[in-house]
Amino acid sequence: DAMVIQNPRYQVTQFGKPVTLSCSQTLNHNVMYWYQQKSSQAPKLLFHYYDKDFNNEADTPDNFQSRRPNTSFCFLDIRSPGLGDAAMYLCATSASETDTQYFGPGTRLTVL
Amino acid sequence: GQNIDQPTEMTATEGAIVQINCTYQTSGFNGLFWYQQHAGEAPTFLSYNVLDGLEEKGRFSSFLSRSKGYSYLLLKELQMKDSASYLCAVMDSNYQLIWGAGTKLIIKP
Repeated sequence: DAMVIQNPRYQVTQFGKPVTLSCSQTLNHNVMYWYQQKSSQAPKLLFHYYDKDFNNEADTPDNFQSRRPNTSFCFLDIRSPGLGDAAMYLCATSASETDTQYFGPGTRLTVL
Repeated sequence: GQNIDQPTEMTATEGAIVQINCTYQTSGFNGLFWYQQHAGEAPTFLSYNVLDGLEEKGRFSSFLSRSKGYSYLLLKELQMKDSASYLCAVMDSNYQLIWGAGTKLIIKP
């Protein structure tokens, strides 16, 4: 089945220790998104790629970076995690920017 | 500013019908999406409306009125597994998804 995969599902890191979350897709979609979602809140878009074109949201902290080495994979790097970065990180894909977004299972990040 | 309003929480009984409302104010409109999100899991796509009217998909239906900036999600024959949050999201003129905070639906036996 075509799907969006995120690894790991649960990630624990220490305050200030860099961490990388990964997302892969077998849908062959052009667009990949990274969202941050905290408890009982709406998902917050951090950035997205249309193919190799990177689009950063204006209020995404510099602490968050992303890489998309090929169509299938996208990474979220948090350079110096703070306690406030503890959240669920959701990867989504869509065929184009106007199409339905399909989500992976998410990675729950804990910062100690 | 752009805004999506949904009730924070609703309670319903197994086997009953529930309607979850969503009102929106966005710069432009390119469709409205409903997603279901179980606790600790990712959102899963339920429905998409871009024209006025009712879209039916099994036990779930979604309605849109663009002139009123209003949508609802109707869930029939409620089952315990329908306990989840339901998120309304609108695609604006820049094709950005504007998300509501979600409605937590509690189903009681």
